[in-house]
Amino acid sequence: EAQVTQNPRYLITVTGKKLTVTCSQNMNHEYMSWYRQDPGLGLRQIYYSMNVEVTDKGDVPEGYKVSRKEKRNFPLILESPSPNQTSLYFCASSPGGTTDTQYFGPGTRLTVL
Amino acid sequence: QKEVEQDPGPLSVPEGAIVSLNCTYSNSAFQYFMWYRQYSRKGPELLMYTYSSGNKEDGRFTAQVDKSSKYISLFIRDSQPSDSATYLCAMSDTGRRALTFGSGTRLQVQP
Repeated sequence: EAQVTQNPRYLITVTGKKLTVTCSQNMNHEYMSWYRQDPGLGLRQIYYSMNVEVTDKGDVPEGYKVSRKEKRNFPLILESPSPNQTSLYFCASSPGGTTDTQYFGPGTRLTVL
Repeated sequence: QKEVEQDPGPLSVPEGAIVSLNCTYSNSAFQYFMWYRQYSRKGPELLMYTYSSGNKEDGRFTAQVDKSSKYISLFIRDSQPSDSATYLCAMSDTGRRALTFGSGTRLQVQP
């Protein structure tokens, strides 16, 4: 089954404790992206990747890192999480870019205390 | 000022009504315009995609883009309770790399 998986689905952590949210797709898509969703603000793009080893900042990259060492994986790293990073995070992938149908993962709800 | 503005709603309509959802934007570089639908506790799914100005129809859904006014619309005809969801507009420039979303409009269709 074609899908985007994210882990963990729910995470409660404390300020400053490094964490990684994994994202994996099995569709051989070139484009992958991370978004955060907050009430009243919609989805905001954090980082995106057009292909392996090619990543770029979205609208809200501060406090986040990503890497794309393999085509299928695109982890999101929070090196020193802060409470303002409490949010619902979505990973998405598409064959070639933003205008191709993006397949979204199930979301990761992160709470930083 | 946000690059993309969207009325958050909620918008409540009776079943069978015509629904109009709208977004305005400020970045003239946007060339690709999309509408996503998001059900509660789910990721968004692409509904419609339009390039530049014009109309596009798909079943009960019609997307309109007016680049001169920087205004896009999604019309839903014969609305159904299953259409109850949050609708997000999204826009991209010619590079097709970054995507900017509106804040979403919550729609409720009453049976």
